[in-house]
Amino acid sequence: RKEVEQDPGPFNVPEGATVAFNCTYSNSASQSFFWYRQDCRKEPKLLMSVYSSGNEDGRFTAQLNRASQYISLLIRDSKLSDSATYLCVVNMNTGGFKTIFGAGTRLFVKA
Amino acid sequence: EAQVTQNPRYLITVTGKKLTVTCSQNMNHEYMSWYRQDPGLGLRQIYYSMNVEVTDKGDVPEGYKVSRKEKRNFPLILESPSPNQTSLYFCASSLGLQETQYFGPGTRLLVL
Repeated sequence: RKEVEQDPGPFNVPEGATVAFNCTYSNSASQSFFWYRQDCRKEPKLLMSVYSSGNEDGRFTAQLNRASQYISLLIRDSKLSDSATYLCVVNMNTGGFKTIFGAGTRLFVKA
Repeated sequence: EAQVTQNPRYLITVTGKKLTVTCSQNMNHEYMSWYRQDPGLGLRQIYYSMNVEVTDKGDVPEGYKVSRKEKRNFPLILESPSPNQTSLYFCASSLGLQETQYFGPGTRLLVL
């Protein structure tokens, strides 16, 4: 089983749709959580950090459920510019600092 | 401008010819990492460094070396590249262990 697993893509949605991505992690030593966005093999860029209390940034909402080892990202009112690959990222400290990326979920937003 | 730079951005080489990919950050970050990205596998951590002279293996360290002699630089060394090291490589840095990572623009490497 992969340490970080994401929904398989691609997601094809119309503009204005709400789309949700899920991510699960297997190691309970996981300590910090992020969603990154990557455009067409360019460098990943931080979309948002994820906290147990949940956090929102405009149209984006991220949530963490430590008990279920589950992270989610909700995008409301999708824009064409949201088309990208979304990466779930988990940092863990298991005697050494380790960063595990999910394989990514591709999103296509169409007009 | 705060940034992570990598050089070269593109490199074609032959099996066995030693190469170095440089990485430099100007944000005074303590933590730096190298990743490779391959289709279907996502980004995998090669090596990371928690500070000057402190480095450790990630998930896929075989065939790579790193050094951290200065805080700002974290070069990736391939002593004897092989075709299975053909990949897209990213360097990243962060202020602290659990902080946001900032990525360089990537280096596309082809080993023939």
